[in-house]
Amino acid sequence: AQSVAQPEDQVNVAEGNPLTVKCTYSVSGNPYLFWYVQYPNRGLQFLLKYITGDNLVKGSYGFEAEFNKSQTSFHLKKPSALVSDSALYFCAVRDHTGFQKLVFGTGTRLLVSP
Amino acid sequence: EAGVAQSPRYKIIEKRQSVAFWCNPISGHATLYWYQQILGQGPKLLIQFQNNGVVDDSQLPKDRFSAERLKGVDSTLKIQPAKLEDSAVYLCASSLDGSSYEQYFGPGTRLTVT
Repeated sequence: AQSVAQPEDQVNVAEGNPLTVKCTYSVSGNPYLFWYVQYPNRGLQFLLKYITGDNLVKGSYGFEAEFNKSQTSFHLKKPSALVSDSALYFCAVRDHTGFQKLVFGTGTRLLVSP
Repeated sequence: EAGVAQSPRYKIIEKRQSVAFWCNPISGHATLYWYQQILGQGPKLLIQFQNNGVVDDSQLPKDRFSAERLKGVDSTLKIQPAKLEDSAVYLCASSLDGSSYEQYFGPGTRLTVT
């Protein structure tokens, strides 16, 4: 079965510093990978996706993610963090079996301090 | 473009009572999803509709949960009777069709069962 793992429950970073939120995946076949962000009392918002092509994927709000096949990772990055980036971040993979549902990780809380 | 609408936003019920959630997807979106997000976990797909037909309900506890999407637009998710472990946020999402990579999420309904 397809799955993703987010090894960190929380990531703390100071405003202006680069941030990385980690995600590793386990899939059979080619992975379709996603990042979503969830702000308090709001639904998930799509940030970016990797389907094929360049390993560096650019998304919304200045976020990008690097697909690394040898390390089976899809880490989310941003060169300079903002306090407003503080939120819950979910990595997800599309299940190639059945009806191709999204399988989410457990989430990583990002806290950006002023 | 209006987003995915859900109501109510919050609901508190006692165990063994029944509850219903409503979702209105983005206009023109054929695929509708219901997810359950338990605190500290990622969203888990409960049921997926393509127009008004169910395509995946493998993770729906059918002894107490039911869902319908009449006329292929709005959808309701019902729990009867509720258990304490049903306390969660119930998220509705929609996409253009089942092969679309991007799902758009509503704000969710936070259910507390006491």
